[in-house]
Amino acid sequence: DAKTTQPPSMDCAEGRAANLPCNHSTISGNEYVYWYRQIHSQGPQYIIHGLKNNETNEMASLIITEDRKSSTLILPHATLRDTAVYYCIVRAAGNKLTFGGGTRVLVKP
Amino acid sequence: NAGVTQTPKFQVLKTGQSMTLQCAQDMNHEYMSWYRQDPGMGLRLIHYSVGAGITDQGEVPNGYNVSRSTTEDFPLRLLSAAPSQTSVYFCASSYSTVLTTEAFFGQGTRLTVV
Repeated sequence: DAKTTQPPSMDCAEGRAANLPCNHSTISGNEYVYWYRQIHSQGPQYIIHGLKNNETNEMASLIITEDRKSSTLILPHATLRDTAVYYCIVRAAGNKLTFGGGTRVLVKP
Repeated sequence: NAGVTQTPKFQVLKTGQSMTLQCAQDMNHEYMSWYRQDPGMGLRLIHYSVGAGITDQGEVPNGYNVSRSTTEDFPLRLLSAAPSQTSVYFCASSYSTVLTTEAFFGQGTRLTVV
């Protein structure tokens, strides 16, 4: 599976949108982009995934560039409960989830 | 649904002791896996199973054994605990590896080896 690069940390103001970038320049055509988050050492929680089209669910939106070399996870209205480590993972169907270092997001009041 | 249940939540072992970390899921998922997470690090895959009777090694399998006799259960055995195995252990399950489905994680077992 392709490697991903994420900033190690970022701050966000409560109530504002949080935009989390992820670079995956070596992504293959059959690889999906997944996002998980881990709140305070709990088990990771699935957020969203996509292949090439933008995706939205009740938690977040995923924007994938046309060349698929990067993506952005958007939390539309960040709350204090969104403080967590966010992992961007590239994975082909049938392959295992491989976690990198993630981005530590701190939502501030 | 209970989802993925891990027991115990906390455990302290002496070097050389053995123990089994339990993981059970009630979602009829084919795929189950074990990860460990050291302080400040991401998760690393230990062992995984794509179905009952089938297991395989992940990134860091040494010192651990697994078996999958039923769909629901995937226990992780520490054969002879070492301080380097002090970590938080997470079990995960998903419907299939072929389909692009989400993985569900347990709440973790915090293991300290002294």
